[in-house]
Amino acid sequence: EAQVTQNPRYLITVTGKKLTVTCSQNMNHEYMSWYRQDPGLGLRQIYYSMNVEVTDKGDVPEGYKVSRKEKRNFPLILESPSPNQTSLYFCASGRASSLTGELFFGEGSRLTVL
Amino acid sequence: KNQVEQSPQSLIILEGKNCTLQCNYTVSPFSNLRWYKQDTGRGPVSLTIMTFSENTKSNRRYTATLDADTKQSSLHITASQLSDSASYICVVSARSGYSTLTFGKGTMLLVSP
Repeated sequence: EAQVTQNPRYLITVTGKKLTVTCSQNMNHEYMSWYRQDPGLGLRQIYYSMNVEVTDKGDVPEGYKVSRKEKRNFPLILESPSPNQTSLYFCASGRASSLTGELFFGEGSRLTVL
Repeated sequence: KNQVEQSPQSLIILEGKNCTLQCNYTVSPFSNLRWYKQDTGRGPVSLTIMTFSENTKSNRRYTATLDADTKQSSLHITASQLSDSASYICVVSARSGYSTLTFGKGTMLLVSP
């Protein structure tokens, strides 16, 4: 089954404790991206990657890091989480070669930073 | 600045009724417009993708329209079902591909029995 898998789905952590949210897709997609969704603000892009070893900042990259060492994985790293990073996070993937390709989203990771 | 505005913010309709959601955008240059359905606590799922040359596209009970001249799109839901209760998000791309997607804040639809 084609899917984008995120882990963990739920996480409560404390300020400053490094954490990683993993994202994996099984569709051989070149493009992967991370978004955060906050009430009243909609989805905002954090980082994206057009292919292996290629990453770019989105609209709200501060406080986040990413890496794309393999095509299927695109982890989101919070080196020193702060309460303002409490949010619902989504990973997405798609075929970069397609002009109007469908974007597939994961089920989301709800992060709470105390 | 590229923007996507959706209206209404929320809507309650009775099961079986039709409804229309609106999306206005100022994204330029325009490449394509997407409608997504997002169930509470789940990831968004694509309903339609429309390029500037398409003015109507249907997917089961969902019909999207696009007027590239007025920069407006609508999503019409026919014979609503309880499972249509969700947030509907309009997304516009300024270029081909995904790197310049601008997301609307969504319309929350509640279908009541």
